[in-house]
Amino acid sequence: DADVTQTPRNRITKTGKRIMLECSQTKGHDRMYWYRQDPGLGLRLIYYSFDVKDINKGEISDGYSVSRQAQAKFSLSLESAIPNQTALYFCATSDFWAGELFFGEGSRLTVL
Amino acid sequence: KQEVTQIPAALSVPEGENLVLNCSFTDSAIYNLQWFRQDPGKGLTSLLLIQSSQREQTSGRLNASLDKSSGRSTLYIAASQPGDSATYLCAVVPGGSNYKLTFGKGTLLTVNP
Repeated sequence: DADVTQTPRNRITKTGKRIMLECSQTKGHDRMYWYRQDPGLGLRLIYYSFDVKDINKGEISDGYSVSRQAQAKFSLSLESAIPNQTALYFCATSDFWAGELFFGEGSRLTVL
Repeated sequence: KQEVTQIPAALSVPEGENLVLNCSFTDSAIYNLQWFRQDPGKGLTSLLLIQSSQREQTSGRLNASLDKSSGRSTLYIAASQPGDSATYLCAVVPGGSNYKLTFGKGTLLTVNP
């Protein structure tokens, strides 16, 4: 099993729908992140969390919200999806000292 | 603001060739630098992590070097194979924090049989 698991892997939805992407990890890391990847724009940080009670906005948090349900679980929500949120979304984890990031396989979201 | 640039954007080589991928960053005050591999439509796989106090790291046919003073890192791939075909990304974490990676846009490598 993967150390960082994302669900769903693919999702097609319509404008205005609420969407939740879920991430769970077995690496025992405190830090978790949500990134978005778009062609030509690279990877951009949406939200990050250092522990269950510490959640921070990244560079493109507008239109997104997150929930850290437990050390191992971090979910990303789009309250009202819009077409320009069509992208590949990645969850990642890291420990504190080394800072090495480990990524999930990604969730491809298409908003029609 | 830290900016990370990877050159070239794409590279095509014959199998067996040794090659170098380049990564440059604008602020030399970094905590670490990480190289990743990404296959099409897949997640990122960590290849090598270089801490700011290190000059290089090696894993198998891969060797990554770091020169903070010049704001550069290189990823050397020896004896390239078709299975090495992927996009390679570098990312830096600024000094004073170890969470906000800044990514380059990657180099798309194609190794031809």
